[in-house]
Amino acid sequence: GNSVTQMEGPVTLSEEAFLTINCTYTATGYPSLFWYVQYPGEGLQLLLKATKADDKGSNKGFEATYRKETTSFHLEKGSVQVSDSAVYFCALSELVGNEKLTFGTGTRLTIIP
Amino acid sequence: KAGVTQTPRYLIKTRGQQVTLSCSPISGHRSVSWYQQTPGQGLQFLFEYFSETQRNKGNFPGRFSGRQFSNSRSEMNVSTLELGDSALYLCASSPGTSGWGTDTQYFGPGTRLTVL
Repeated sequence: GNSVTQMEGPVTLSEEAFLTINCTYTATGYPSLFWYVQYPGEGLQLLLKATKADDKGSNKGFEATYRKETTSFHLEKGSVQVSDSAVYFCALSELVGNEKLTFGTGTRLTIIP
Repeated sequence: KAGVTQTPRYLIKTRGQQVTLSCSPISGHRSVSWYQQTPGQGLQFLFEYFSETQRNKGNFPGRFSGRQFSNSRSEMNVSTLELGDSALYLCASSPGTSGWGTDTQYFGPGTRLTVL
């Protein structure tokens, strides 16, 4: 079946540091890939997405590129802020006519001033 | 446009009871999905409804059920509650019309269920 493997957390960085959160996937077809973010006490918010190979999703300074050859969708940001502290989830959606999302385990990110 | 709303936000029940959670999707969205989030199992897919029909189902026991109304609002029901059902239950909506998994799902704030 489909699965998503995420970088183990928690991750602690200083403000303005470079961020990478690794995500790899296993899928039988050609899934769409997503990064969601969850702030304390809230639901999930879509951060960015990519629907086909070599697509780059970007939002709020975050970027991720759909790499079919390495089955990866790593999240990056050049300079993190304290407000980026949250839990980040990588997810995939199967292209088989349904809306089911398969999530990774989540990576807790803490940014210290 | 108003976002996905879920009621109630918090709920405390005892073992053996049943519970009903409600979700109102974004206006115009016809697909509603439910997820369970726990510290141990992470985010797990429960089921998805589209136009009042269950279109997909995850690996949960029959105690977990749902339905969708003609206005796309959805409810999920858990009967005979167990301690392990304590979780954050998230609802997500999407247009549901692409049929190819490319629709973005928009999540509500969740209902925090505690079973004592």
